Amino acid sequence: QKEVEQNSGPLSVPEGAIASLNCTYSDRGSQSFFWYRQYSGKSPELIMSIYSNGDKEDGRFTAQLNKASQYVSLLIRDSQPSDSATYLCAVSGRGSTLGRLYFGRGTQLTVWP
Amino acid sequence: DAGVTQSPTHLIKTRGQHVTLRCSPISGHKSVSWYQQVLGQGPQFIFQYYEKEERGRGNFPDRFSARQFPNYSSELNVNALLLGDSALYLCASSPQGINQPQHFGDGTRLSIL
Repeated sequence: QKEVEQNSGPLSVPEGAIASLNCTYSDRGSQSFFWYRQYSGKSPELIMSIYSNGDKEDGRFTAQLNKASQYVSLLIRDSQPSDSATYLCAVSGRGSTLGRLYFGRGTQLTVWP
Repeated sequence: DAGVTQSPTHLIKTRGQHVTLRCSPISGHKSVSWYQQVLGQGPQFIFQYYEKEERGRGNFPDRFSARQFPNYSSELNVNALLLGDSALYLCASSPQGINQPQHFGDGTRLSIL
């Protein structure tokens, strides 16, 4: 069973600050990584995908991947109250489990004004 | 373009009944996956279909079954419902490959009494 672990949270940051969300995974051969945002009572929304080591930026969001350390993170710059949600890290399976996503339990982020 | 659509939105059943959940993928997407999300947890993989063939099955009992139709829509069936089946059932679709980012529908919230 592949495992995806996220820092337990909840995480609370002031408006305008940088929020840092972390995720580790157990399968060293994993190739595809995703961050989803889930508002309370809603479904997950894809916000970032990353496949190669290094940083990937999209607006206020930066995903960072370090395959050697089996670590992926999401930075949210200039955090806004509308960013308050649960952030789910997902790792794609490989081989016989190719295509299925393994999720962490999520980190709840609160951005206070 | 319309996103992933799921029906019904909410469903209340009693133990022992069966249920059918429906999903229409994003236009042009050929892969559909089903996930179960219980409160406080990340989504857990149930099934994946690609080009109308089952490509993966998660660790769920045989009471759970699914299929994909020629128009790429999908059904998830659950028989002999148990209290523990109460959850948010999510459908996700992705483009041609089965290891591409998955986009979720709004889900069906199933409550078992």
